[in-house]
Amino acid sequence: DVKVTQSSRYLVKRTGEKVFLECVQDMDHENMFWYRQDPGLGLRLIYFSYDVKMKEKGDIPEGYSVSREKKERFSLILESASTNQTSMYLCASSSLVLAGNEQFFGPGTRLTVL
Amino acid sequence: AQSVSQHNHHVILSEAASLELGCNYSYGGTVNLFWYVQYPGQHLQLLLKYFSGDPLVKGIKGFEAEFIKSKFSFNLRKPSVQWSDTAEYFCAGGQLEEDNNDMRFGAGTRLTVKP
Repeated sequence: DVKVTQSSRYLVKRTGEKVFLECVQDMDHENMFWYRQDPGLGLRLIYFSYDVKMKEKGDIPEGYSVSREKKERFSLILESASTNQTSMYLCASSSLVLAGNEQFFGPGTRLTVL
Repeated sequence: AQSVSQHNHHVILSEAASLELGCNYSYGGTVNLFWYVQYPGQHLQLLLKYFSGDPLVKGIKGFEAEFIKSKFSFNLRKPSVQWSDTAEYFCAGGQLEEDNNDMRFGAGTRLTVKP
């Protein structure tokens, strides 16, 4: 089974802090994604990566950056956390060669910024 | 812009009722379509997907969806819901192209099934 793990299930940070969210997948997938999930808005794509050291902006990249130094790991960085970044953050991965290109999701990190 | 829309935000049904959740997409060309489910406290998991072939797709737990290209729709159906189907359902769409691997999700539909 594909496994996507995220470093924390719950995180509480203060405004202005630098926040790192880590995601690891064990299926050698090329693509990795970061979403935030908010009630009534569904999942919104922040950034994605289709290869090591490659990244593409999604729909809401402002206030975030990402890093992909190894194929299995994709990090989301909040340079200076703000209260409007309080949300559930979901990581996903997918394979270019898997028919249908479905994404596999991690359990999510619920981030609260005070 | 590419988008996916879900018409219903919250649906409440009694057990054994039939379910249909609407989903429309705005992609042109070859499109992959998905329904994901998120049970309370659990992570998103795939219910079913369409990427080619038979437009009627069967998924897990008795769910099915029909791809109707002329209507840009991919509605999710189940003939008889159970209390355990209470969850949030997300429609998603993407295009399998070399330079476009992202996917767009709808806002989600919360389904409550009353016992």
